[in-house]
Amino acid sequence: QQQVKQSPQSLIVQKGGISIINCAYENTAFDYFPWYQQFPGKGPALLIAIRPDVSEKKEGRFTISFNKSAKQFSLHIMDSQPGDSATYFCAGVYNAGNMLTFGGGTRLMVKP
Amino acid sequence: NAGVTQTPKFRVLKTGQSMTLLCAQDMNHEYMYWYRQDPGMGLRLIHYSVGEGTTAKGEVPDGYNVSRLKKQNFLLGLESAAPSQTSVYFCASSYYLAGETQYFGPGTRLLVL
Repeated sequence: QQQVKQSPQSLIVQKGGISIINCAYENTAFDYFPWYQQFPGKGPALLIAIRPDVSEKKEGRFTISFNKSAKQFSLHIMDSQPGDSATYFCAGVYNAGNMLTFGGGTRLMVKP
Repeated sequence: NAGVTQTPKFRVLKTGQSMTLLCAQDMNHEYMYWYRQDPGMGLRLIHYSVGEGTTAKGEVPDGYNVSRLKKQNFLLGLESAAPSQTSVYFCASSYYLAGETQYFGPGTRLLVL
């Protein structure tokens, strides 16, 4: 049973558009929600993260929106660029359990 | 500063064979992790270690064993490989808690025939 559900599985966006990836979680013990970015042939790398006491976090073109009551969070990529083409993973972390649970991933393609 | 390195990069095994994957990190991190990545399933935690000499089971530990004899190394063993273990394996490390940034290696692609 996947504790973090991610959608869509794949996404195609035109250059300059907004990419939106959604995640829903079940475990209310999660206390940290990172997003990882993975390029082909590479390991994932931390992109941006949020704690549940914050509703939004922005870093450059990347924004996380967090809705604690709905147990949902999303990644918005503004002004999407071809270099953003990668697979994105949301995750939930339960620090006391030393575990990071990933969503299934979204493969983003930004067309020039 | 190499970060997290993994060897080998690619391996083909026959069913029933054994092998060990090596992960090394030079960041003096306490925590190390082994994940497997399969299409549509994200990364799933196999085993992890919170320090030298410790190991613990993750989400999908069956068929795998691990050892952390040195702080900088984390070994993943497959005693009797099965086709279901065909996957890409990633090692990661973090300084302390799982919530700290995890630094991933480049991955090992394993094919079990």
